[in-house]
Amino acid sequence: DAKTTQPTSMDCAEGRAANLPCNHSTISGNEYVYWYRQIHSQGPQYIIHGLKNNETNEMASLIITEDRKSSTLILPHATLRDTAVYYCIVRVTSNFGNEKLTFGTGTRLTIIP
Amino acid sequence: ETGVTQSPTHLIKTRGQQVTLRCSSQSGHNTVSWYQQALGQGPQFIFQYYREEENGRGNFPPRFSGLQFPNYSSELNVNALELDDSALYLCASSVRGRTDTQYFGPGTRLTVL
Repeated sequence: DAKTTQPTSMDCAEGRAANLPCNHSTISGNEYVYWYRQIHSQGPQYIIHGLKNNETNEMASLIITEDRKSSTLILPHATLRDTAVYYCIVRVTSNFGNEKLTFGTGTRLTIIP
Repeated sequence: ETGVTQSPTHLIKTRGQQVTLRCSSQSGHNTVSWYQQALGQGPQFIFQYYREEENGRGNFPPRFSGLQFPNYSSELNVNALELDDSALYLCASSVRGRTDTQYFGPGTRLTVL
């Protein structure tokens, strides 16, 4: 799996959009970008994933650059409950499994009241 | 639809003892992956089970073993506990051959004294 680079920490004001960047310059053509978050001492929560097109769901939007070397997770209206560690992961998905997740140290996002 | 559940929530053992942790996968999911998360670190892949067989293993010694049952639930067994085994143990379930997105349980906090 390709390695990712994320800022160690970020702050965002409550109600504003939180934009979390991730660099994955060695990503392969068949590797997806996944985002998870982990609120203190809980299990990681799946947020969103994408291959090359931008994606949006009820939680967030994922913007992937055209060369796929970086991406940004956007939380459109951050609330205090969005305070968590956010992990950007790239991995292959296939019908043949064994697709482990390789977590880095993530970005600690703090939402400021 | 029930999510991934794990038991027990917390556990305290002494060095040299053995421990069994349990995981019930999300309804309809046929694959279970186990991860270890030490304090301040991201989760590390231990192994994955599919069709009751181990299907991929991370850099963990043989004293870490597992089982998957016909109902897709799973156990993680750790023998000869060491102090460094103190961690949050996470299981994640997914569907092989479809989205393959892994959904995590709340974890079991193991403390080895």
